[in-house]
Amino acid sequence: QKEVEQNSGPLSVPEGAIASLNCTYSDRVSQSFFWYRQYSGKSPELIMSIYSNGDKEDGRFTAQLNKASQYVSLLIRDSQPSDSATYLCAVPSSNTGKLIFGQGTTLQVKP
Amino acid sequence: EAGVAQSPRYKIIEKRQSVAFWCNPISGHATLYWYQQILGQGPKLLIQFQNNGVVDDSQLPKDRFSAERLKGVDSTLKIQPAKLEDSAVYLCASSSHLAGGPPGELFFGEGSRLTVL
Repeated sequence: QKEVEQNSGPLSVPEGAIASLNCTYSDRVSQSFFWYRQYSGKSPELIMSIYSNGDKEDGRFTAQLNKASQYVSLLIRDSQPSDSATYLCAVPSSNTGKLIFGQGTTLQVKP
Repeated sequence: EAGVAQSPRYKIIEKRQSVAFWCNPISGHATLYWYQQILGQGPKLLIQFQNNGVVDDSQLPKDRFSAERLKGVDSTLKIQPAKLEDSAVYLCASSSHLAGGPPGELFFGEGSRLTVL
């Protein structure tokens, strides 16, 4: 089992719809979770972090965490073509602290 | 505030040749990372420095890869000899957090794209 798993996609949604991106992780002790966005040919940038169970909202983005199910998701409301990118889920290893990335989910928002 | 600087942006070499990448982190950031990102995959940590010491190099192929951060500021990643499977983007990142705590936000450079023919 991979340490951090994501569906590679592509996930295609129409403009204005809600995009739902999912991530599962194997380390039950993990305490912090991160979503990075990576545009094609660019480097990753942090867009959300979440540390406790439940939802965290920031503008059009909502991160959801369920530690019991070892599941973290990212919702993007009112999706825009500019949201088209690869979204990387990242979880620190509880043993070493190093940040482990999933393979990323490619999101395509069609006008 | 200046971001993470990397060079060169692109490099094409033949297998068995050597290559070096340079990174200058954000000023004041104690922790520096080198990640390898193969097309279609997420970044994979090669080595993590805190100041000029190595925190984690468990996934660095030490028979061909080496990295240093001699003065605790900028860093160099070297590959010698290169193999076809080393074709990837090499991302340098820095953060202000210290090892042992949650990683916080990593700031990435633009990356160095390596093609090995």
